[in-house]
Parts: sequence; structure tokens; C-alpha cells
Amino acid sequence: DAGVTQSPTHLIKTRGQHVTLRCSPISGHKSVSWYQQVLGQGPQFIFQYYEKEERGRGNFPDRFSARQFPNYSSELNVNALLLGDSALYLCASTSTLESTDTQYFGPGTRLTVL
Amino acid sequence: AQKITQTQPGMFVQEKEAVTLDCTYDTSDPSYGLFWYKQPSSGEMIFLIYQGSYDQQNATEGRYSLNFQKARKSANLVISASQLGDSAMYFCAMREFSGGYNKLIFGAGTRLAVHP
Repeated sequence: DAGVTQSPTHLIKTRGQHVTLRCSPISGHKSVSWYQQVLGQGPQFIFQYYEKEERGRGNFPDRFSARQFPNYSSELNVNALLLGDSALYLCASTSTLESTDTQYFGPGTRLTVL
Repeated sequence: AQKITQTQPGMFVQEKEAVTLDCTYDTSDPSYGLFWYKQPSSGEMIFLIYQGSYDQQNATEGRYSLNFQKARKSANLVISASQLGDSAMYFCAMREFSGGYNKLIFGAGTRLAVHP
């Protein structure tokens, strides 16, 4: 079975621009979470979606938004990019049938803001 | 608030030797889950092993085992028979349940280098 996929792999933007990152969960997984990993740190939680509804949001500004589609894929949008938004953005999917709620991650999208 | 502490920024080990990566956690919840992930230079976060707070036995997955000491709030990862491909960043994470959903709280990570 295919794992979590993310696109694009790398992205270079300039300050003030907008970016959309995409994620497809493991087949059968209905929950998707987004994390931001700044260089040298552990990932920080941004959003969680389940059945197209936002379940949780981390401490990120309103410039960050997301949505989940009927096929459970998800998009993360960031407006008015700042230099500090440069990071690896990780998407993870979870099967609600697993009692451990293990999150399985994709390869990430590396965003560079110039 | 829950917190994960990994005190070893970097570790090195000889190939075929065992290595222990430290993780301590802080939580007031009686029910929690602890995870270890491996992150190679490619960036993907690879799930390794899970330990539930009510699990009676330490978790094991192949060459990975978790030394879970609940009273000390520690969940150290033990990698046996290290291989060159084990060189990567390793993150300890805790599942936090808040407002009807679970999220992961990560430590700062430990960079492991396996030497031939």
C-alpha cells in the first residue's frame, strides 16, 4: 500500500506570496494532521482534520489555513509568506481504527521563503 | 502542559553495537502514548515504536526496544546491533489529547551517527 504522499517536494517563494501544499493520506485513513519543522527543531502541530472538519489548530497565525476534501486529501495554505515560514512541512495520516492513534508521515515539502 | 525532553543532541556508536537514546516526558494525564520516529536526511518521519502508558511490558519492534520507566517518566529507545543505515535524527513524541483530538508533542531530537 502507498504511504502518505505530499507535493511538491521543494518550493521556493518570495516574501508576501501565497503557497499551497498538498497531501494524500494512506488509503483508508480519514484523519490528516499538518506539522511545521523549522531547521534544528522538532515538528510543531499546525492543524488536524477529520472527515473534512477541522478538529484542532496549533498556535499559528491566521495566515495559515487548511482544508480536507471528500477523498480525505488535504491542502495547507499559507498567505503573506514571511522569511520565518521557511521550514519542512509534514503531513501525517491516522487510522481511527488503530487504538494507538499512530500518525504516519509523508516525505514533507521543503519551503524556502526568500 | 505536556513536554518531551531529549538531552542528547548527538550520539555516536560503532556498527553492530547497541545504543540508547534518552527521552523524558512530563504529563499529568494518566493515559498517554509515547512514540519514537526516525528522520533520515531525506526528511520523512518514519514511525519506529509505540508505548502506551498502561502497557505492562516494554514495547519491542525488531532491533528497536523501548525502556519504559513510568515512575521516572522516561521512555528510552534502545537500538541493538546498529547498522550504518541507522544514522539519522531520532525524535521522541507524546500523544496529547486536547479538545477532542490527538496531536503529537515532539522533543528536540537526537542525531545518531553510526561509525563502521
